[in-house]
Formats: sequence, structure tokens, C-alpha cells
Amino acid sequence: DTGVSQDPRHKITKRGQNVTFRCDPISEHNRLYWYRQTLGQGPEFLTYFQNEAQLEKSRLLSDRFSAERPKGSFSTLEIQRTEQGDSAMYLCASSLDRDRPYEQYFGPGTRLTVT
Amino acid sequence: AQKVTQAQTEISVVEKEDVTLDCVYETRDTTYYLFWYKQPPSGELVFLIRRNSFDEQNEISGRYSWNFQKSTSSFNFTITASQVVDSAVYFCALSEIYNQGGKLIFGQGTELSVKP
Repeated sequence: DTGVSQDPRHKITKRGQNVTFRCDPISEHNRLYWYRQTLGQGPEFLTYFQNEAQLEKSRLLSDRFSAERPKGSFSTLEIQRTEQGDSAMYLCASSLDRDRPYEQYFGPGTRLTVT
Repeated sequence: AQKVTQAQTEISVVEKEDVTLDCVYETRDTTYYLFWYKQPPSGELVFLIRRNSFDEQNEISGRYSWNFQKSTSSFNFTITASQVVDSAVYFCALSEIYNQGGKLIFGQGTELSVKP
């Protein structure tokens, strides 16, 4: 297994456009997390899934954001009507809660630039 | 309220020096986990260590060591004999057990620069 992967690695979009990011977690991991990281800051939690169920959403996740994990494997994060303030690195992480709870492994991130 | 503070924004050392990165946390929970992650220039966060709140034993892994002191709510990270490859941003993070989701609350990070 090669770890958590994210696609695309970079995305440049114009304000008002919709974008979708994909995350593929480590194969046996049942938990999947999305975080957002702006320049010079630590990652901030957005949402998490246990299998296919979305169990928690941060207040940072406005109505323009939606995340899915339809079959409990990969996940998508969609941002509708992007704004310049959405420019950030979007990080995905996964963990296996059975043996090593809360030990999250991160993907390389998707860097979003909204012009 | 839960919070993680890394007061040192940037640290610069010369290779082979020892360096300590500070982390202070706030939580209302008595049971929690603390973490350190490394973010090299490539951007991917790399897991370094996890400690639970019941285990205050210090830990050493090669050149890395961690000092957890519950009395001062601190979880400091020391790199002994630093190397250029240690240059990165280091994040301390907290996860509260009552929060079954395990979301991580990160500090602002400390950028470590090790010069040859």
C-alpha cells in the first residue's frame, strides 16, 4: 500500500467555479478526514467519515462545501461557487480505529488557488 | 475549550546543535492524545509520535525525544544533534477522547531551519 493519495495535487480556478477533489485512503482504514491549511497555519478540521457515514462537520464547512464517501473507500470534497478565501491546501487523512486510534496518516494535499 | 499553542514561529540552528520545540495545550478532558507531525517542504504531514494522557513517560527515538508534563500541559519535542534534513515545519496536535471522531486540533507550527 502506498499511503493516502489525493488528486489533483494543484488546482487553479476562477472565482465562482465549482471544484472537486478526490482522496483515496489507505485501503483498510475506515476513518477518513478532511482538513484545510492556509499559509503559515496549522491544518483545521473540516469533516470526517467513519466508513460511508459523515459523522462530524466543522463550522468551517459552509453550505458551499460538500463531502461524500459513497462506498466507504475514496472520498470527494466539492466546493461550489469558489471564493478567493477558499484558496488553501486541502488535506485528507485516514486512520484505523481498531488498533491505533486517532493515528492519522496524511496525503500530499491538493493546493487550491482561486483567482 | 481545546487549544494548542506553539509559541515559537521560527527557529534557526546550526547543524549538530540540539533544539527544543515547545508545545502547550488546553483541554477540558482528562483523557486525550497528543501528537507531533513533521511537514517537510514537499508538504506532506508525517506522523512522528502519539502519547496518551495517562502515559507521562518520556520517549526517545533515535535523535528525537519527547517530554510530556501534564502539570504544565506541555509536550515538548527535542532534536539532538540536528541535521539539515530536519528542516521542516513541526506541528503539535491534540485529540480529545470524548470526541469519538478523533479529529486533530493543531498548533500554528514551528518552522525549523537547520543550516550546515
